[in-house]
Parts: sequence; structure tokens; C-alpha cells
Amino acid sequence: DVKVTQSSRYLVKRTGEKVFLECVQDMDHENMFWYRQDPGLGLRLIYFSYDVKMKEKGDIPEGYSVSREKKERFSLILESASTNQTSMYLCASSLGLAVVRADTQYFGPGTRLTVL
Amino acid sequence: GENVEQHPSTLSVQEGDSAVIKCTYSDSASNYFPWYKQELGKGPQLIIDIRSNVGEKKDQRIAVTLNKTAKHFSLHITETQPEDSAVYFCAARLRKHGGSQGNLIFGKGTKLSVKP
Repeated sequence: DVKVTQSSRYLVKRTGEKVFLECVQDMDHENMFWYRQDPGLGLRLIYFSYDVKMKEKGDIPEGYSVSREKKERFSLILESASTNQTSMYLCASSLGLAVVRADTQYFGPGTRLTVL
Repeated sequence: GENVEQHPSTLSVQEGDSAVIKCTYSDSASNYFPWYKQELGKGPQLIIDIRSNVGEKKDQRIAVTLNKTAKHFSLHITETQPEDSAVYFCAARLRKHGGSQGNLIFGKGTKLSVKP
């Protein structure tokens, strides 16, 4: 089974702090994604990566950056956390090759971040 | 870009009844439509998907139908059970010019409650 793990389930930070959210997948997937989930807004894509050291902006990249130094690890960085970044953050990965089921995204359990 | 509308936002049914969740999409070039189930405290998990070359797909008690002309697709759950209670998300993926695949665009979710 594909396993996507996130470093923390719950995180509380203060305004202005630099925050790192880590995600690791164990199935050699090419693609990795970061979403945020807010009530009534569904899942919104922040950043994604199709390969090591590659990153592309999603729909709401402002205030975030990412890092992918190794294939299995994708980090989301909040350079200076703000209260409007309080949310559930979900990481996902997918195979990324042109085969059946390659586009299925597998999600981690999420990190609930609170910025005070 | 693609836009996905999902209805209803909440749905309550009696155990044993059927549940139907509907989604519409805006871009006729979308070609992949997955459904995810998110249980409390967990990340979304794929339960069924359909591609644009198929009108219906069934897996035990769940089925998905796609109407490309009307640009809508639906999730049908029959003989509902309490463990079906969760938030369900639909999504659509746009096929871009040149054949590359776009990212998933998610609906805002439906909270399904199955009462024993």
C-alpha cells in the first residue's frame, strides 16, 4: 500500500514564525502536491512538483514556498506565518507516468496548523 | 480554467437508503473524474473514478455516472451504512492542449450522514 506521511498531525505557531511542513511518500512517486482544506472551500492546490527540484505554483501559492530535494520528500514552507494560514494542510502523491491509475492521488492524514 | 460545483453540501439519509451526490464541471476538455471519501481525522481516499470515454462505472454499492453533454457526473451509494458517513469530494481533471494532464480541481465537498 502507498503510504504518505506528514510530520505533524497538529501544530501551533505564532504570527511571524517560519513554519516547515514535511511530507514523505514511500512508493517512488514522481508527483507530489500540497493542498489546504478549509470548511466550505474544499481542497485548494498550493504547490506541486513533478520531479526532484521542480516546483510549480498551484491556485493559491501566495505566502508559501516549497522544497523538493529528494524524490520522496516534499516540504511546504510558510516564511512568515499569518493567522489566515490557519488551516488543514494535506500532502498527496501520484505515480506520474503514462499508465493506468498513474493519476490517482494518495493523501496523507493532514496537518492541522493553528497560527496565533 | 476548470470549475467544479458540488451539491448538496450536506446530506442525511436513513441506513439502507440510497444517497446521490452531484457535480458539474465547466470545461468540456476535462477527461478524468475521481471521487474521494474523507473520514474524520484522515486524508481523502479515492473510492471510484471514471474517465470521459465511459458513461457509468460500478463497484459494489457505489457507482458513478458521467454525462459529457451536460457536463455533470454523480456518485450513487446504495444500501447506505453508518460507516459511509464521511465527507465526499468530487474532482475533475482538464486535459490540456498537447496532451498533457492538468491538475485536479475539487468540489467543495458533501458531508454525508447515515442514521442507524
